[in-house]
Amino acid sequence: EVQLVESGGGLVQPGGCLRLSCAASGFTFSTYSMNWVRQAPGKGLEWVSYITYSGSTYYADSVRGRFTISRDNAKSSLHLQMNSLTAEDTAVYYCATSPPSSSGSYGPDHWGQGTPVTVSS
Amino acid sequence: QAVLTQPSSLSASPGASASLTCTLRSGISVATCWIYWYQQKPGSPPQYLLRYKSDSDKQQGSGVPSRFSGSKDASANAGILLISGLQSEDEADYYCLIWHSSAWVFGGGTKLTVL
Repeated sequence: EVQLVESGGGLVQPGGCLRLSCAASGFTFSTYSMNWVRQAPGKGLEWVSYITYSGSTYYADSVRGRFTISRDNAKSSLHLQMNSLTAEDTAVYYCATSPPSSSGSYGPDHWGQGTPVTVSS
Repeated sequence: QAVLTQPSSLSASPGASASLTCTLRSGISVATCWIYWYQQKPGSPPQYLLRYKSDSDKQQGSGVPSRFSGSKDASANAGILLISGLQSEDEADYYCLIWHSSAWVFGGGTKLTVL
């Protein structure tokens, strides 16, 4: 059974930084691409970042240059380093798997429970 | 103009069918896209429902009932999630997703009310 457990969320001041982690199990982590998706209070889903199984990275315009996605295949873990945080980054952050396809990866299928991030003074 | 446009709300009666649309911005052809659909209930993470490209290229999420199905309306340049035999537990927010310009893009979501 696929399990994704996010951690690292919390309260941080504007301009601060936070590192989120996602512990994965129940599948061959190294063959899956992975995503971070967030949801601000009362709002819809917003894709944040994506890392392919081979390590290529993609970012939403709203976080590019401030957030860095990374993975540790040996530990089956996904990370999101978030710098220069603003109130607009306040959200629940979910990690999600993207299973392999014949031409790359499919969209997110399994999701974690999420970790809340609040940016406030 | 947003990449994906979904109606903000939709109401339907128990036992009826509901058709949720996801309209792609002009210039992005639905014909070549995988359309993904997710269901989210309050306080829970999104649940993957299905992906659809064509009738011969689609996949149902694990454990997702067959009364959830995907299709496309080429004339409207839209993806469609059809829910038949509506049940009270289908009341939720529904999101569509595509890969466009090296990014995953979600629609704004449709709140489905079953009453």
